[in-house]
Amino acid sequence: SQKIEQNSEALNIQEGKTATLTCNYTNYSPAYLQWYRQDPGRGPVFLLLIRENEKEKRKERLKVTFDTTLKQSLFHITASQPADSATYLCAHDSNYQLIWGAGTKLIIKP
Amino acid sequence: DVKVTQSSRYLVKRTGEKVFLECVQDMDHENMFWYRQDPGLGLRLIYFSYDVKMKEKGDIPEGYSVSREKKERFSLILESASTNQTSMYLCASSFAGGNNEQYFGPGTRLTVT
Repeated sequence: SQKIEQNSEALNIQEGKTATLTCNYTNYSPAYLQWYRQDPGRGPVFLLLIRENEKEKRKERLKVTFDTTLKQSLFHITASQPADSATYLCAHDSNYQLIWGAGTKLIIKP
Repeated sequence: DVKVTQSSRYLVKRTGEKVFLECVQDMDHENMFWYRQDPGLGLRLIYFSYDVKMKEKGDIPEGYSVSREKKERFSLILESASTNQTSMYLCASSFAGGNNEQYFGPGTRLTVT
């Protein structure tokens, strides 16, 4: 079955450093991957989408890469700030649905 | 801006009660989804709908039903609430012609006692 995995352990990063989160997928070749941010007690918010033919996508301090050989997407936040602390979810398409990772909690320490 | 609203942020119900969760979106999206989210289990799809009066089961439909009589509204029904249905319920919508980028409501935290 299609599976998408994110590191379940929280990631602690010092403010100002680059945070890198990983998303791995198996048994599927998605046409694109999506990244979302979720704050406690709230619904996820869409951040970025990267297609399989795109190596890299940027939006302000965010950068996403897509490596179809490694079956992996990396999500980077540069110059991280405490306000970036949240859970980050990746997802890939499957017919009408999205297959979701469990999310990685990111904590940016001042 | 896309807006997805859910009828309640917090809800407390008793075991055996019938529970209605309402979701409304204002962007004319064809697709609508109901998820539940529990600690350590991530987002799990209960039901989705790709058109009015159409519904498809997700990964965990047991104990739930849905209704989509109008394009903008998607209702989740718990016929007889049980304590194991205590959870955060999230509604989402997406445009059929896009990349299924989903827009979520604020969530309803349901507690069944």
